[in-house]
Amino acid sequence: DGGITQSPKYLFRKEGQNVTLSCEQNLNHDAMYWYRQDPGQGLRLIYYSQIVNDFQKGDIAEGYSVSREKKESFPLTVTSAQKNPTAFYLCASSPPGRLAGETGELFFGEGSRLTVL
Amino acid sequence: QQPVQSPQAVILREGEDAVINCSSSKALYSVHWYRQKHGEAPVFLMILLKGGEQKGHDKISASFNEKKQQSSLYLTASQLSYSGTYFCGTEPQTGANNLFFGTGTRLTVIP
Repeated sequence: DGGITQSPKYLFRKEGQNVTLSCEQNLNHDAMYWYRQDPGQGLRLIYYSQIVNDFQKGDIAEGYSVSREKKESFPLTVTSAQKNPTAFYLCASSPPGRLAGETGELFFGEGSRLTVL
Repeated sequence: QQPVQSPQAVILREGEDAVINCSSSKALYSVHWYRQKHGEAPVFLMILLKGGEQKGHDKISASFNEKKQQSSLYLTASQLSYSGTYFCGTEPQTGANNLFFGTGTRLTVIP
């Protein structure tokens, strides 16, 4: 079955540590996204990538970093510079839209819940 | 660029109808609607493109008024399975190809 796999599902870290969240997809989608979800704030875009070896900052990129070396993989690193990293992180991918420049439907992973102790 | 959703929460009895609204301050190319059940990933419901189209998905339908930069999601004859948080995602006409999500509407359907 095709889909998006995020790992780990739960992660605890101490302050000052970097952690990397994994996101893998076998849907052959070019576009991939990372969102952060906090209670009452919806989904906020951290980073996105439209193609391999290219990515752009979203609304809340500070304290995060990403890489896109392979089409299937889009890992997110939460660095120690992120002031409030405790959150639920969602990775998504999308196929091209029907028209050029259109965002297709997003397919989400199950999410990773990060807690900083 | 985050769209505004209303209401924030609504409680329905089975069989009742509900409307969820999504409003943006930016000119929009498209609006997406997703539903997220507690502890799960959001699931796609539908996309509406500029042109004022309407769409239906079982007893869930939506409209998009591009002039007003607004979209509404209509849930008719609600079922228990409709419970969850509904998010609209808006794609601006100009700028990057990605979605800006609203804060969500929590819908609870009770027997």
